[in-house]
Amino acid sequence: GAGVSQSPSNKVTEKGKDVELRCDPISGHTALYWYRQSLGQGLEFLIYFQGNSAPDKSGLPSDRFSAERTGGSVSTLTIQRTQQEDSAVYLCASSSEAGPNNQPQHFGDGTRLSIL
Amino acid sequence: GESVGLHLPTLSVQEGDNSIINCAYSNSASDYFIWYKQESGKGPQFIIDIRSNMDKRQGQRVTVLLNKTVKHLSLQIAATQPGDSAVYFCAPVSGNTGKLIFGQGTTLQVKP
Repeated sequence: GAGVSQSPSNKVTEKGKDVELRCDPISGHTALYWYRQSLGQGLEFLIYFQGNSAPDKSGLPSDRFSAERTGGSVSTLTIQRTQQEDSAVYLCASSSEAGPNNQPQHFGDGTRLSIL
Repeated sequence: GESVGLHLPTLSVQEGDNSIINCAYSNSASDYFIWYKQESGKGPQFIIDIRSNMDKRQGQRVTVLLNKTVKHLSLQIAATQPGDSAVYFCAPVSGNTGKLIFGQGTTLQVKP
């Protein structure tokens, strides 16, 4: 079956531009997560969605970062006025359940963002 | 905050040998743990998970051991193959949001 799909796979943009990253989770998965992975590092949590609401935005590094999810499915992560330190791989994951009966998260292959 | 540490950043093994990758976590309230494998240019791939009411779980060629007393997990890979070469992460799940806490991973290199 289809896994988590992210687009674009690569994005190169100039400093100061806005970028929008897209995530299509596994069908039926209610929980959706965004993470960021810098070169050679582990993953850093950004935001968690349950349905269309985001009960945990604690990982967003600044107010230049925002995310939304519509129809309980597709999510977009927007970075405004990009800076060079935003360069990283942005990974999306989804799971069928989060809470007392947490289920495994399944990841997409990420968007590699390079800020010139 | 919560943290995850892996004992060795790199592990090199001979093809056919068994591999053991270790992981320590800081939050004694963690009750669910997932091991992921990440190949270059790919997202993390689910390998196996374990809940805190268990101390051992087996999959195909992999076994995860959990020691809650010392907050330690290990991933054992039997008969390691070249295709097992990757970075391995253990990820405790934090609270009811299910967010994963990642350390820096262990790179497994399999020598032919």
